[in-house]
Amino acid sequence: GAVVSQHPSRVICKSGTSVKIECRSLDFQATTMFWYRQFPKQSLMLMATSNEGSKATYEQGVEKDKFLINHASLTLSTLTVTSAHPEDSSFYICSARDGGQGPRLAAEAFFGQGTRLTVV
Amino acid sequence: GENVEQHPSTLSVQEGDSAVIKCTYSDSASNYFPWYKQELGKGPQLIIDIRSNVGEKKDQRIAVTLNKTAKHFSLHITETQPEDSAVYFCAASINQFYFGTGTSLTVIP
Repeated sequence: GAVVSQHPSRVICKSGTSVKIECRSLDFQATTMFWYRQFPKQSLMLMATSNEGSKATYEQGVEKDKFLINHASLTLSTLTVTSAHPEDSSFYICSARDGGQGPRLAAEAFFGQGTRLTVV
Repeated sequence: GENVEQHPSTLSVQEGDSAVIKCTYSDSASNYFPWYKQELGKGPQLIIDIRSNVGEKKDQRIAVTLNKTAKHFSLHITETQPEDSAVYFCAASINQFYFGTGTSLTVIP
């Protein structure tokens, strides 16, 4: 399968600081990238969907000013957690979709390794 | 929107036995159904998928079946091995991916 690289895998930051997480598709062009948050022993919760060159679409309840998403190229998307607080501690996972044309033609999506964020 | 339900939430099998995980979905427009395996502390890994124009797909010990009429799909793992132990997620997709709640599979040696 295709490779999606997510960095860093683990980060600890102080409360009030910002943290940037990178998601790269290494061997394909990702027109769409998804950002998820996962709590222990729970499923993936979609936070936002980003398309290259346009603003991200956030799910209900996700603060766009707190979770800044940039999808500047077909191989890179970043998630910045601004003014992090302990309750933002979680496992964040990105996913990149390989191609796909139009709303009715689904395409495979590949996941990064995840980032364990701990805010102290 | 789409609602995906997954059962069981936990599953223990003896090594060599088969494991079956079932999912249902609500939106008949969903046309892509991947299955992911997630090991502790790692991101989900795509293990098999099926599209709505296919009823069954097999890859070595793993198979997936899809019943579009009933809106359910299943993952079948045969000859299970301890390294199959992980959390498995199903998903249904049109554009976005809607995930099931996960099944924690334990294969007992």
